[in-house]
Amino acid sequence: NAGVTQTPKFRILKIGQSMTLQCTQDMNHNYMYWYRQDPGMGLKLIYYSVGAGITDKGEVPNGYNVSRSTTEDFPLRLELAAPSQTSVYFCASSYGTASNQPQHFGDGTRLSIL
Amino acid sequence: KNQVEQSPQSLIILEGKNCTLQCNYTVSPFSNLRWYKQDTGRGPVSLTIMTFSENTKSNGRYTATLDADTKQSSLHITASQLSDSASYICVVSDGNSGYSTLTFGKGTMLLVSP
Repeated sequence: NAGVTQTPKFRILKIGQSMTLQCTQDMNHNYMYWYRQDPGMGLKLIYYSVGAGITDKGEVPNGYNVSRSTTEDFPLRLELAAPSQTSVYFCASSYGTASNQPQHFGDGTRLSIL
Repeated sequence: KNQVEQSPQSLIILEGKNCTLQCNYTVSPFSNLRWYKQDTGRGPVSLTIMTFSENTKSNGRYTATLDADTKQSSLHITASQLSDSASYICVVSDGNSGYSTLTFGKGTMLLVSP
């Protein structure tokens, strides 16, 4: 089972460039999430989706956009990369609401903005 | 503001020894508490999920306890192995919104030495 797959694993961007972080899951989960993990900090929720066509902001959405056209895919878009967006980005999915369901995480995308 | 505090920040133990990691939280209302293991360079993997009515939950050599009155949880690792070297993250759900807000701790970095 592939689970949650994120691409790319590493990326270096210049300030002002844009890119899309890809996330796909093969578990038919309705709920999907994007987090960022900064050194020495807990994960922060960027955006989440409760199903295809439905997305909502999390705790730190500024500078990011998402879409959810299919159950499987949940890409994260950075339009104008800034140094503050240097972080490790994790995509996760869960069968139901995260209230009592474990989240399944991908292995992350390590992004550096220079 | 919801907070999750973990201690110690880091820990080194000898292979075969036991250890206990602590988690204190101020999350309201409380829905559940979960422990994740995050290997270096990988995404978090769920170890246990406990609701307020559960005092103890085990997963192999990992045993989590929860005291909802004092808002404390611990993760006990028995007969540690080199593969236990990882960051252990405590996460608390408040069950407030439809997707449930999760508050992540910063993690305890465990190193098991041969």
